[in-house]
Amino acid sequence: AQKITQTQPGMFVQEKEAVTLDCTYDTSDPSYGLFWYKQPSSGEMIFLIYQGSYDQQNATEGRYSLNFQKARKSANLVISASQLGDSAMYFCAISRGGNYGQNFVFGPGTRLSVLP
Amino acid sequence: GAVVSQHPSRVICKSGTSVKIECRSLDFQATTMFWYRQFPKQSLMLMATSNEGSKATYEQGVEKDKFLINHASLTLSTLTVTSAHPEDSSFYICSAIPAGDSPLHFGNGTRLTVT
Repeated sequence: AQKITQTQPGMFVQEKEAVTLDCTYDTSDPSYGLFWYKQPSSGEMIFLIYQGSYDQQNATEGRYSLNFQKARKSANLVISASQLGDSAMYFCAISRGGNYGQNFVFGPGTRLSVLP
Repeated sequence: GAVVSQHPSRVICKSGTSVKIECRSLDFQATTMFWYRQFPKQSLMLMATSNEGSKATYEQGVEKDKFLINHASLTLSTLTVTSAHPEDSSFYICSAIPAGDSPLHFGNGTRLTVT
């Protein structure tokens, strides 16, 4: 079975600073995908970034980057130059299968608060 | 980009009544949609996988007769909470994958309150 662990229930960061949200995973599947989603207080789930298990390079999307360490089974999200609008819940997720597989399993989430 | 529309966004119903939640893929066809449930301050838990033209696949512990799923077309899946009780109050959110190489896209969710 697949499992995601996010050990930080809450994080604070000063505006314009960088912040790292931790995510470790456990899976027996040889091929899997790792995702980060943002959930503002309004409830919608916003896709941020994806990393495939066979991708050699760490994924980047604008201010978001994924620090993928396969041997350690970690996929930390780094947000650079934090903005007030980044305050939200952040969920790490793993999917079974190839690039964008199904059967997502979400972690418990980390609540990020950006301070002015 | 791919859009998943969910309706209603909020619903309040009395205990014992049924509530239908719609999930539509607006600009793509989705043979498979997923229904999640989220309790306050908790993560998303997969309830069932909705398959167009066939029966839904439910996760362990989810009552099939209570949470009826119908995926009648390639753009619409519905979740009906039957005989709702206060413990069914939760945030329900659907999702779909637009194409082979696309991430999971979510609707905006439905906040159900059963009084």
